[in-house]
This record gives sequence, structure tokens and C-alpha cells, in this order.
Amino acid sequence: SAVISQKPSRDICQRGTSLTIQCQVDSQVTMMFWYRQQPGQSLTLIATANQGSEATYESGFVIDKFPISRPNLTFSTLTVSNMSPEDSSIYLCSVEVGQYEQYFGPGTRLTVT
Amino acid sequence: GQSLEQPSEVTAVEGAIVQINCTYQTSGFYGLSWYQQHDGGAPTFLSYNALDGLEETGRFSSFLSRSDSYGYLLLQELQMKDSASYFCAVYTGGFKTIFGAGTRLFVKA
Repeated sequence: SAVISQKPSRDICQRGTSLTIQCQVDSQVTMMFWYRQQPGQSLTLIATANQGSEATYESGFVIDKFPISRPNLTFSTLTVSNMSPEDSSIYLCSVEVGQYEQYFGPGTRLTVT
Repeated sequence: GQSLEQPSEVTAVEGAIVQINCTYQTSGFYGLSWYQQHDGGAPTFLSYNALDGLEETGRFSSFLSRSDSYGYLLLQELQMKDSASYFCAVYTGGFKTIFGAGTRLFVKA
């Protein structure tokens, strides 16, 4: 298993600004994942972060908008840049423990006004 | 395209058995997982199936038929605390998991 913490848990931001979300894991992991989830909706993968290399982004997500850092095996950050109201969502980080089993952080609820 | 289909809502009474189906169409398939998410909470892993057949974990069981691209989650002896959203998810390889839209389960007394 893995215990994951995220900061901040929620935030209200003005459009045009940026927010950096932190994700901390209690053990070393190779891959970390960032998802976005609209309330009541499915989870959409933003990118996969491997320590020591550039993150891999899914279709529809670009590095300029969602830069990711992965400085070590227990930590990652996701920045939501130049925010607009459409970026209002819940952002979740996760790690893979064993095959097909992911553990998720508690999420960051972002509201952009 | 890639898609996972599951019912949007299911309602059942306490003590009953409920089955949540999931059909998938993906470019790759390594396994089918199920996650539970309570309102305001994070998704939590329930089970996965890489091979055909039934996997049982306590009150929850999960089934997979690869030839039919179909699986289901079976919840027995339903309790009020089982009211939540349930997501099926396919691991397609390359560290990528695709999630279904989720099934909201309402358990009534």
C-alpha cells in the first residue's frame, strides 16, 4: 500500500494565475500519475511522471499548461498555469503499487473565478 | 476510440446483491480493475482481473470475460456504507489506465 498526501486540499484562484499542487508519497515509487476529475465524472489522465525524465502527457494536455516536476521518488508537483474557469476541477495524484492497483491522494479541489 | 461502458446509476436495498457491469473497447488490454469512491473522497482500489473468471474478496467479487470484453463487480450483503460511485478501469499498457464514467450506487434501507 501507499499513503499519499496532497497540498493544498482546495483553493479558489483568479483567472490568469497559476497554482502548484504538491503530491507526497510515503514510499519510493517509479511512476506517479496526475488525473483530473470533474465532480460526479470520470477520471482523466493528465500525465505520467517518471523520476528523472520528462513527464508524458495525454492527448489534450500540454506541458506549457500543466508543467510537472518529479525531483525524487517520493514527490511530484503539478502546476495549472494561466487558469481559466474551465480548469475548475479536482486534481488527483496517484501511484501504482503492484499491477493494475493504484493508490490515490485525497485530491485538490480547484475553483477558478 | 477507447471506451468503457457502465450504467450511470444502480439502486438496491440493504442486504441485497447488486451487479455492476462494464464493457470495454480499448486498443490494449492487460487487466480490468474496480475502484470505489465516496462523495468527497479519493478512489480506492477494490479488485482487478487479468484472467477470465471470478475473483472474490470478502463481500465483493469481480468477474472478467476477455473474449466478451466484459466484466462485472458483484456486491453482496449490501450495506448503507456501500453507497458510492464505482469505476471500472482498464490497464492498456504503457502505464496507462482508462476509467469508465462510473456507476453511482444508492443503497436504501
